[in-house]
Amino acid sequence: EVHLVESGGGLVEPGGSLRLSCGASGFTFNSYTMNWVRQAPGKGLEWVSSISGSGLYIYYADSVRGRFNISRDNAENTLFLQMDSLRVEDTGIYYCVRDGNTIVVTADYFDFWGQGALVTVTS
Amino acid sequence: SYELTQPPSVSVSPGQTVRITCSGDRLPKEYGYWYQKKAGQAPKLMIYKDNERPSGVPERFSGSSSGTVFTLTINGVQTEDGADYFCQSLDTNGTVVFGGGTKLTVL
Repeated sequence: EVHLVESGGGLVEPGGSLRLSCGASGFTFNSYTMNWVRQAPGKGLEWVSSISGSGLYIYYADSVRGRFNISRDNAENTLFLQMDSLRVEDTGIYYCVRDGNTIVVTADYFDFWGQGALVTVTS
Repeated sequence: SYELTQPPSVSVSPGQTVRITCSGDRLPKEYGYWYQKKAGQAPKLMIYKDNERPSGVPERFSGSSSGTVFTLTINGVQTEDGADYFCQSLDTNGTVVFGGGTKLTVL
């Protein structure tokens, strides 16, 4: 059974940093592109970033490019999201998500989701 | 940037059929996907590649695509289907776009 468990969320001031982690189990981690998707309070879903199974291909949404960094440790079956220069508008639940397409190196669609980590950016 | 447009809300009575639309200029070239989101829960994939249903998703859920419109149909709606539904597709340069979401109310 696929399991994705996020950790590292919390309260931070604007301009601060946080690092999210996502432990994966139940599948061959290095075979899948992984993603971060967020949802701000009362808003819709927003794709944040993706990283290919090898870690070589990385993509970001315009809203976070230059501030967030996605990475993975395939030996530890763990996905990371380093978030710097955080803004109030980055507040939300951040979901670790497995990509459903095992062929392409870009994000395609999302077949398994973690329960999410809450990030609150406030002064 | 590329946008997918959904109606903000729809209402339906139990047992009826509801259709939720998603429109986007790139949909004829890219697949559409649907997710169900209930409060306090993670989103759940309901339809992939326009009309494929993942294992475990009830048969009353189906998807279709025509031109620039992608549609989620729920036949025989049940009260438990009340949720937010989001469509999703692909933008350029390896990025992803979601629709704004449709709140389904089962009266």
